Amino acid sequence: AQRVTQPEKLLSVFKGAPVELKCNYSYSGSPELFWYVQYSRQRLQLLLRHISRESIKGFTADLNKGETSFHLKKPFAQEEDSAMYYCALSVDTDKLIFGTGTRLQVFP
Amino acid sequence: EPEVTQTPSHQVTQMGQEVILRCVPISNHLYFYWYRQILGQKVEFLVSFYNNEISEKSEIFDDQFSVERPDGSNFTLKIRSTKLEDSAMYFCASSGLGTEHTGELFFGEGSRLTVL
Repeated sequence: AQRVTQPEKLLSVFKGAPVELKCNYSYSGSPELFWYVQYSRQRLQLLLRHISRESIKGFTADLNKGETSFHLKKPFAQEEDSAMYYCALSVDTDKLIFGTGTRLQVFP
Repeated sequence: EPEVTQTPSHQVTQMGQEVILRCVPISNHLYFYWYRQILGQKVEFLVSFYNNEISEKSEIFDDQFSVERPDGSNFTLKIRSTKLEDSAMYFCASSGLGTEHTGELFFGEGSRLTVL
C-alpha cells in the first residue's frame, strides 16, 4: 500500500536551532517525493522535490531508499519557517499522497 | 504570477443539498485535481482529470461526486446530496505544461464546505 507517514504533529524549536521533520514512505515502485509547505493563511505550495536535490530557503531533504525516508532538514531555523509541512509521494505522476503534516513552530 | 483560483471560499449548506465548487486552473495546465482536508486530518486525493476525462479517482470519490470541465477555463466539483461528513476544505490543483509534467501541483486557496 502507498503511504506517507509523518510521526510528529508538532515540532517546536527556538530560532537558530536545527530542525528535522521526519517523513517515511511505503511504495513498491520508484518513489518521487516532495515537501509542500503551507504558511499561515497561504495556499499549499511546493517547497522542494527529491529529484532536483536542491536547497530551498535553507531546507534540504535526501531520499534514503534503504530507510524509505525523506526527512526535511534545516541547520538553523528562522521564525519565518513556522508553517505546516507536508511530505508527499507522487504515484504515477497522477496524484500525490500526503502525510498528515507536521506543524513547525519556531520561537524567537 | 498565475494562480489557481477557487470559489466560493466558504459555503454553508443543508444536509441533502447539492453543492458545486468551482476552480479556475492555471492557464495551459493540462492536469487537474481535487483534494480535500477534513479538519485536523491529512490532505486526501479525490480525483485527477486529464484530457477531458477522469484519469484516477480515490475510493472517497463515489457516485455522490462528479467533476466537469464545462468550458476552457473552469473545473468544477459537484457533490450531490451532501452529508455531514462532507464538511471539509476542498482544494483544487493543476499541473503540467504540455509535456513538462513534473509532478509539482499548484494549489488553490481552498473552498471550505460546511454541511449542517
